[in-house]
Order: sequence, then C-alpha cells, then structure tokens
Amino acid sequence: AAGVIQSPRHLIKEKRETATLKCYPIPRHDTVYWYQQGPGQDPQFLISFYEKMQSDKGSIPDRFSAQQFSDYHSELNMSSLELGDSALYFCASSLNTYNEQFFGPGTRLTVL
Amino acid sequence: GNSVTQMEGPVTLSEEAFLTINCTYTATGYPSLFWYVQYPGEGLQLLLKATKADDKGSNKGFEATYRKETTSFHLEKGSVQVSDSAVYFCALISQGGSEKLVFGKGTKLTVNP
Repeated sequence: AAGVIQSPRHLIKEKRETATLKCYPIPRHDTVYWYQQGPGQDPQFLISFYEKMQSDKGSIPDRFSAQQFSDYHSELNMSSLELGDSALYFCASSLNTYNEQFFGPGTRLTVL
Repeated sequence: GNSVTQMEGPVTLSEEAFLTINCTYTATGYPSLFWYVQYPGEGLQLLLKATKADDKGSNKGFEATYRKETTSFHLEKGSVQVSDSAVYFCALISQGGSEKLVFGKGTKLTVNP
C-alpha cells in the first residue's frame, strides 16, 4: 500500500538559511498535518490543511509557513533557521479530519 | 485542555515477558485513542486504535481497551519479542475540537534475548 512520502529525508542548513520540506500524502487522503519532534520528545503539532485550506494551527513559528497544493501535496517553508529548529519533521495524512493519521518517515533537519 | 499521560520508562524486559504500558487521558468531548510505535531511526507507525468506550484495539499481539470510567487506554502484550524494542506513544484526537494528535511523552521499550 502507498504510504506518505517526504523529501528530503535529511537536510543540513546553516543558521539564517531557508529550507523547504515536501510531503506527498497517501492517494485520496485530503488532510495533511505537520509535526515537529525534538530529540527524545513527543511530536508537536505545527499546522494542518484540509482540501487545500489551512484547517488548524499549533505552535508554528512565524518564520515558518506552509501550504497544500491542488494535487494535495504540501510544503513546509522555514526561513531564518535557528539552531533550535534542528528536529525531525513529520508529515501525516488522513482521509477527512479526526480520523487516524498515517505518518511519513520524516525529514531530519540539522541547523549548523 | 486535552492531554495524555503515559508511563515514561524506560522499560526493559526479557523476551516472552508480559508488557503493560499505562496511558491515561484528559479530554473534552469523546476522544479517539491511538497507540503509535516508533522504531529506531524511523517514523511513527499506527499500532492500534479505539474510537469509543469499551472498544478494544488489537494488532500484532498488542491490545488496548478504551476505558471511559478510568480514562485509560493501557497497552498490553502477552509475550514480547526483541523486535518489539521501540518507543511507544499513546495519543488522542478530541472529536469536534482541534484535529491535531495529542501525544504522551513516549515509553522506550527494550526487549533483551
């Protein structure tokens, strides 16, 4: 069965640079979520989209933005990167909201 | 607000031992409950779920029962294997509220041969 695809899997950036993370949901899933997981931490919700519209927002810094495109893939744009942004970034998708969410393998971002 | 409290561990067991990881929750409304597992270096995999009181979720020998009276969703397995070594997260979605998953802190399980 098709799973959630995330790219890149690993990303190394310098402070103050920008990064773009991409997420391709499971086919026919209409809702995409982004989570951030620090080392040894539980995942923290950033933002979600339903049918290409932002549907919920969590603790996402103003330096970050995201969108969902017409083909339902989503991109998380991160600017003015800080050392503290180093984390695993997960994308998840679901069929409609409030249903089980299926996670991608994550993008490991390292900010030097 | 919604929250999940789970046994933080780490938990170390011998192969074929019985596993219990406790999870309790606080939520408005009627949450759906989940257990996710994260193997080293990998993403989160949905292990099992329950959407209403007294539902039992089960998968790969793991079980958890949605207990509304005790607001609990404890994970159990009768005989663990070395391959079960991972971090286990209890999580909820509160129906009608925010659609985000709220996670517990995770429990690291190590199973020794």
